[in-house]
Amino acid sequence: SQQGEEDPQALSIQEGENATMNCSYKTSINNLQWYRQNSGRGLVHLILIRSNEREKHSGRLRVTLDTSKKSSSLLITASRAADTASYFCATDGNYGGSQGNLIFGKGTKLSVKP
Amino acid sequence: SQTIHQWPATLVQPVGSPLSLECTVEGTSNPNLYWYRQAAGRGLQLLFYSVGIGQISSEVPQNLSASRPQDRQFILSSKKLLLSDSGFYLCAWSVPSPQARAFFGQGTRLTVV
Repeated sequence: SQQGEEDPQALSIQEGENATMNCSYKTSINNLQWYRQNSGRGLVHLILIRSNEREKHSGRLRVTLDTSKKSSSLLITASRAADTASYFCATDGNYGGSQGNLIFGKGTKLSVKP
Repeated sequence: SQTIHQWPATLVQPVGSPLSLECTVEGTSNPNLYWYRQAAGRGLQLLFYSVGIGQISSEVPQNLSASRPQDRQFILSSKKLLLSDSGFYLCAWSVPSPQARAFFGQGTRLTVV
C-alpha cells in the first residue's frame, strides 16, 4: 500500500505562476524526498528533507515538512514549461519494516502552459 | 561516476511467455537495488529490493521474481506473463543508508498481449 499520497492529482498552471503540491504520509519517517518524472522516463531526485528539518530550498524549489501533521509540500516558484512533469514524494525508514526503502506516492501531474 | 543501465526500453510479450529484465549499476559497490512497477498514470509500487548478492525481499506477492547474481546486477523475471503484468518497470539503486537518494534507470515499458 502507499505510504505517501500527493494532492492534487493533477495541476495546470500558466508559466510564471507558482505550483504547490502536497504530500501526506502515515507513519514515522527518517526523511522525505521529492522526485520528478518526465513522461515515460525514470525518476530524478529533486530534494531531500530530514525529519528534524522544517524547510529546505534548492533553486526554485521550496520544500516544507510538518511531522506533526505528517505532511510535506513542494513549491515551485516562477514555473516554466520545462517544469511539466509528474512529481512524487517518497518516504523511507520505518515503513513496513523495510528499512531504507523508498515508498512512493501516486504523484501530482503538473502541466505548465506557456 | 555512477550509472545505471536498464534494458530493454520497450518489450511486447504474449501472455504465458517468460520475462527477463536486466539492470546493472556501475561505479559503486554493494548498492541497495530496487525494482518498481508503475501502472499507467499511477504511482510506483515497490516489487523487490536487495541489500546484497542473493538477498531478495519481496514487497508484493505476484507473478514475478527477482535475482541478484552479482553485486551490481539485478534481474526481474517471470515464468509465465499475465496481462496484468503490463506496466512500466523501473530499476533503481541507492547507497545503503536511510538518508540515501535513489537513482533510477530509464525504465522498461512492458506490454503483455
